[in-house]
Amino acid sequence: GNSVTQMEGPVTLSEEAFLTINCTYTATGYPSLFWYVQYPGEGLQLLLKATKADDKGSNKGFEATYRKETTSFHLEKGSVQVSDSAVYFCALKDNAGNMLTFGGGTRLMVKP
Amino acid sequence: DAGITQSPRHKVTETGTPVTLRCHQTENHRYMYWYRQDPGHGLRLIHYSYGVKDTDKGEVSDGYSVSRSKTEDFLLTLESATSSQTSVYFCAISSGTSESTDTQYFGPGTRLTVL
Repeated sequence: GNSVTQMEGPVTLSEEAFLTINCTYTATGYPSLFWYVQYPGEGLQLLLKATKADDKGSNKGFEATYRKETTSFHLEKGSVQVSDSAVYFCALKDNAGNMLTFGGGTRLMVKP
Repeated sequence: DAGITQSPRHKVTETGTPVTLRCHQTENHRYMYWYRQDPGHGLRLIHYSYGVKDTDKGEVSDGYSVSRSKTEDFLLTLESATSSQTSVYFCAISSGTSESTDTQYFGPGTRLTVL
């Protein structure tokens, strides 16, 4: 079956540091890949997505590139802010249906 | 923001009691989903619906039932709540118009505590 593996957190960074959150996946075929963000006390918000190999999703300074050869979709941001503190979820949707498979989530804490 | 509301937002109940959570959407989306969120597990799909009166099981459906009598409402019922069902429950919706690009949008969540 499908699975998504994320690095365990928490990840603690200082403001303006470079962020990488690793995500690898196992799936058949060519899934679509997503990053969702959850701020404290809120639901999940779509951050970015990529639907085919070598696509780069980007939003709010965050980027992730769909790498089929390494089955990865790592999230990056060049300079994090305190307001980026949240839990980040990597997810995939295979094209056999509409179901999402989530990773366990990575908590990011950014200190001023 | 997608028009999704969940009610109640918080509930405390006792073991053995029935509980119903409601998800309401104003987007007229075809698909609706119920997930539970637990530490270390991310989100896991409980049940989903692909149309009025059309539902199917997800990964963790035992102990839960759902109903969808109208496009806009999707109900999740715990017939006899147990402490293992203490969790945060999220509803999501998607249009289902394109399998490759379809995106799920999430509600604000319901925190359920079963004592």
